[in-house]
Amino acid sequence: SQKIEQNSEALNIQEGKTATLTCNYTNYSPAYLQWYRQDPGRGPVFLLLIRENEKEKRKERLKVTFDTTLKQSLFHITASQPADSATYLCALVDSSYKLIFGSGTRLLVRP
Amino acid sequence: DAGITQSPRYKITETGRQVTLMCHQTWSHSYMFWYRQDLGHGLRLIYYSAAADITDKGEVPDGYVVSRSKTENFPLTLESATRSQTSVYFCASSESRGSGYTFGSGTRLTVV
Repeated sequence: SQKIEQNSEALNIQEGKTATLTCNYTNYSPAYLQWYRQDPGRGPVFLLLIRENEKEKRKERLKVTFDTTLKQSLFHITASQPADSATYLCALVDSSYKLIFGSGTRLLVRP
Repeated sequence: DAGITQSPRYKITETGRQVTLMCHQTWSHSYMFWYRQDLGHGLRLIYYSAAADITDKGEVPDGYVVSRSKTENFPLTLESATRSQTSVYFCASSESRGSGYTFGSGTRLTVV
């Protein structure tokens, strides 16, 4: 069956460290993958999109990698800050161009 | 104000009632989507639309109806609400298939 898996346990890190979140998928061949941030009581906010022919994408302190062989995307936040605390959602486009979301990983950055 | 707005923000309805959730976007984006978010399931696609008068089913369409007579509006109707439809509903829009989505603030619906 098709699955998108993100770590359901919260990631708890110290301010200033790099946070790395993982997204694994099974039985999909996505043309692209997206990452979103969601704060409690709010809608998701688009952060980055990476296409299948791109290995890495950066935006300020954010970096996303996409390994189609491993069927995995990694999302990094460098020099993390307490304001980065949120839930981060991975989403990929399926063969009919519908965007399918993972359940998200909660990130807590301690001051 | 430019953006995507959902109404109402909160709604309580009774089992069996019809309820409509509204979604309006000001960018003239072609694509619009309805998702529901539940604990343990994440965001699941209910319906989407590629343009006015073009709609298609997502993962969980049963019990829902959509229409899109104008590009900027994409209402979602629960024809006969059930308790299992208690959820947070998000509307989203995107300029093209390869773009990021912009989400509304959500409607928290409780069916009692």
